[in-house]
Amino acid sequence: AQSVAQPEDQVNVAEGNPLTVKCTYSVSGNPYLFWYVQYPNRGLQFLLKYITGDNLVKGSYGFEAEFNKSQTSFHLKKPSALVSDSALYFCAVSSGQTGANNLFFGTGTRLTVIP
Amino acid sequence: DADVTQTPRNRITKTGKRIMLECSQTKGHDRMYWYRQDPGLGLRLIYYSFDVKDINKGEISDGYSVSRQAQAKFSLSLESAIPNQTALYFCATAVGGAGRQETQYFGPGTRLLVL
Repeated sequence: AQSVAQPEDQVNVAEGNPLTVKCTYSVSGNPYLFWYVQYPNRGLQFLLKYITGDNLVKGSYGFEAEFNKSQTSFHLKKPSALVSDSALYFCAVSSGQTGANNLFFGTGTRLTVIP
Repeated sequence: DADVTQTPRNRITKTGKRIMLECSQTKGHDRMYWYRQDPGLGLRLIYYSFDVKDINKGEISDGYSVSRQAQAKFSLSLESAIPNQTALYFCATAVGGAGRQETQYFGPGTRLLVL
């Protein structure tokens, strides 16, 4: 079985400070991990993904995520938050089932960057 | 993402009515997906299609049906709408062939209210 947990419903951070949005996962086999962002009244936008290789993945808008196999985590980070980063963030893991690529999503974390 | 469009963007209907949500894409992707988003639950997969002749049930297919009319079009139908189908519905596409590594690209969503 595969699942994703985002332990924080809400994260508040001051503009200019570093931000972290947490994600832990459970998956059969090797994990393929994704981060998406949802702005108000918009669809989900792809930020980054981990497939293999370097544990630090860089993505869009200055975001990066660190894959930690021993802790089964894939936390999203940004060195300096912007007010425009305020949005709903989803972590997702790809299914291990052969022939399918079903994404299993976490429940989302709402990030608010305070000016 | 303007490459994936959904119609209508908002819909109000009554219990027992049949409705159809439509998704079109100009990305030339083989794979298309329908998800629903509920507050606090993240996104859950309803149906997915790997090509015109390949339709598969997702996690929560009961009460829904789909039609892949062409590579670019994937419609979701609620045969007899009920209030607990009130949700935000997303269509997504992926290029296919990359297996679990593929990135899914989402439409802007359809907000459905069933009275």
